[in-house]
Amino acid sequence: GAGVSQTPSNKVTEKGKYVELRCDPISGHTALYWYRQSLGQGPEFLIYFQGTGAADDSGLPNDRFFAVRPEGSVSTLKIQRTERGDSAVYLCASSFVREETQYFGPGTRLLVL
Amino acid sequence: AQSVSQHNHHVILSEAASLELGCNYSYGGTVNLFWYVQYPGQHLQLLLKYFSGDPLVKGIKGFEAEFIKSKFSFNLRKPSVQWSDTAEYFCAVRDDYKLSFGAGTTVTVRA
Repeated sequence: GAGVSQTPSNKVTEKGKYVELRCDPISGHTALYWYRQSLGQGPEFLIYFQGTGAADDSGLPNDRFFAVRPEGSVSTLKIQRTERGDSAVYLCASSFVREETQYFGPGTRLLVL
Repeated sequence: AQSVSQHNHHVILSEAASLELGCNYSYGGTVNLFWYVQYPGQHLQLLLKYFSGDPLVKGIKGFEAEFIKSKFSFNLRKPSVQWSDTAEYFCAVRDDYKLSFGAGTTVTVRA
């Protein structure tokens, strides 16, 4: 079946701009996660959704970052006033429930110039 | 929160050589452990996982890992690597729902 999909695959933007990154989880998966992977590092947790609500957003770096999942399926990660330090690969993962294995999407590579 | 350390940053070996990648996590209790692999140009894929039971876990493509509770370790092994095993390997521990990853080990297999 279809895996987790993410769009765009690459995004280049200028410092100070606003960006939206989209994640489409595996059908039927109620849990959705966002991670960020900087060069040379493993993925780091950003936020976890159970259904429509953000159950844990403790990994979001600051209030420029926000994520939504209004209908309990697709999620959008929003970054305001982007900074060069936001450049990274943003990964989305989903699972049936939080205790189960997380399946990752291909990621969105964000470059802030 | 859990932290994960992977001992090798880059491993280079020849085809048919044996591979072992080290992984340690920071504290005990009930842990769920994972190895993910990222082949060049592809996304993270699950290689194997340990939730409970037999501490020797077998995964895809001939990989296995051993959970040693007393050492807080979950090392990955493969007896004979192939060129197609060239990839980046990540160890992860789940703390409730969050995955904490190691920095990854890049494995290069020379033909």
